[in-house]
Amino acid sequence: DIVMTQSPDSLAVSLGERATINCKSSQTVLYSSNNKNYLAWYQQKPGQPPKLLISWASTRESGVPDRFSGSGSGTDFTLTISSLQAEDVAVYYCQQYYSTPFTFGPGTKVDIK
Amino acid sequence: QLQLQESGPGLVKPSETLSLTCSVSGDSIDSNNYYWGWIRQPPGKGLEWIGSVFHSGSTYSNPSLKSRVTISVLTSENHFSLRLSSVTAADTAVYYCARHRGDSSDWLPFDYWGQGTLVTVSS
Repeated sequence: DIVMTQSPDSLAVSLGERATINCKSSQTVLYSSNNKNYLAWYQQKPGQPPKLLISWASTRESGVPDRFSGSGSGTDFTLTISSLQAEDVAVYYCQQYYSTPFTFGPGTKVDIK
Repeated sequence: QLQLQESGPGLVKPSETLSLTCSVSGDSIDSNNYYWGWIRQPPGKGLEWIGSVFHSGSTYSNPSLKSRVTISVLTSENHFSLRLSSVTAADTAVYYCARHRGDSSDWLPFDYWGQGTLVTVSS
């Protein structure tokens, strides 16, 4: 199984400031034949299901604000919220879909400082 | 607009079988190259993929649960189901159904999710 880790466990950021979340996979999720990283980011607010924000490590889903961006390749990835808004308070998960069993990171809780 | 809705008992006794159904509306369960999956989340914890099913009945399951998991699809009813046998308190979780595309060599992430249903295992 590919093990996903995230850091930090939680962070508090002032409104309008940058939030950065890291995700690491135990083996590459970069498929060499198509040069795509099989890595997604989800946002989960209390009492709600996860919402897909980013796929292929850096492709925002339709309707996701451009303050959310993803980067990285291979085994190391980053989700950046460039200017934190109140509605961004949530837990963020990374997930690899390179191979089954699909696995998620443990989550990073983002709060307002 | 695609909608998924989980249904089933909210309380299951230890050693019994948990059974849930996910009803799909807004699209046909056998359209395109979609898989239909189950993911669970113990209270206050992270997400665990349980397994996924194609409309043909082909399934992929998490080896950690595989011996206890049965996932099936009923295209005539446009729903798919999860059965988890021999449950214990560790199986207490919110169970989500979700959609994703792919096949054994090229997967995509879960793009639509149900609201989830809490299943508690207790006598």
